[in-house]
Amino acid sequence: RKEVEQDPGPFNVPEGATVAFNCTYSNSASQSFFWYRQDCRKEPKLLMSVYSSGNEDGRFTAQLNRASQYISLLIRDSKLSDSATYLCVLYSGAGSYQLTFGKGTKLSVIP
Amino acid sequence: EAGVTQFPSHSVIEKGQTVTLRCDPISGHDNLYWYRRVMGKEIKFLLHFVKESKQDESGMPNNRFLAERTGGTYSTLKVQPAELEDSGVYFCASSPDSYYEQYFGPGTRLTVT
Repeated sequence: RKEVEQDPGPFNVPEGATVAFNCTYSNSASQSFFWYRQDCRKEPKLLMSVYSSGNEDGRFTAQLNRASQYISLLIRDSKLSDSATYLCVLYSGAGSYQLTFGKGTKLSVIP
Repeated sequence: EAGVTQFPSHSVIEKGQTVTLRCDPISGHDNLYWYRRVMGKEIKFLLHFVKESKQDESGMPNNRFLAERTGGTYSTLKVQPAELEDSGVYFCASSPDSYYEQYFGPGTRLTVT
């Protein structure tokens, strides 16, 4: 079983739509969780950290459910500039500082 | 402030040849990481330096890969001899502290033919 599983998409949504991505992870000891964004042929960039209490940054809301080992990202009022691949990422913990990545979910926002 | 830089941006080599990738982290960042993404797979960790010391090299695939960070500044990743399966994008990242956000460089796209 993959450490981090994501629906690869693509998700094709019209401008202004709300879209949600999900991610599951297998290691219950994982400590920290993130969503990264990667544009085509570019490097990954941190979008936001994910906390158990849920957190919001403008149009983006992230949620973590440790019991179900499940992470989500909600994007409201989608913009054309939101088109990218969204990567679910975590720190495995246990003294390791390596990031573990999912394969990513591709989003295309259509005019 | 300059970001993480990597050189070269692209490299095409033949199987059996040697390639050296370079990463310059953000100035003052003690932590430097190497990752790679092979075709169709997720980005995977290779190793982690703290200053000039290898903190974690559990992701290095085999002894054809050698990473160095002499002086604790820039790092090099040498692949010798290169195999077809080494093709992919090699990313370097840096952070000021181990638990801080990792900033990624633009990557080196390696093609082994």
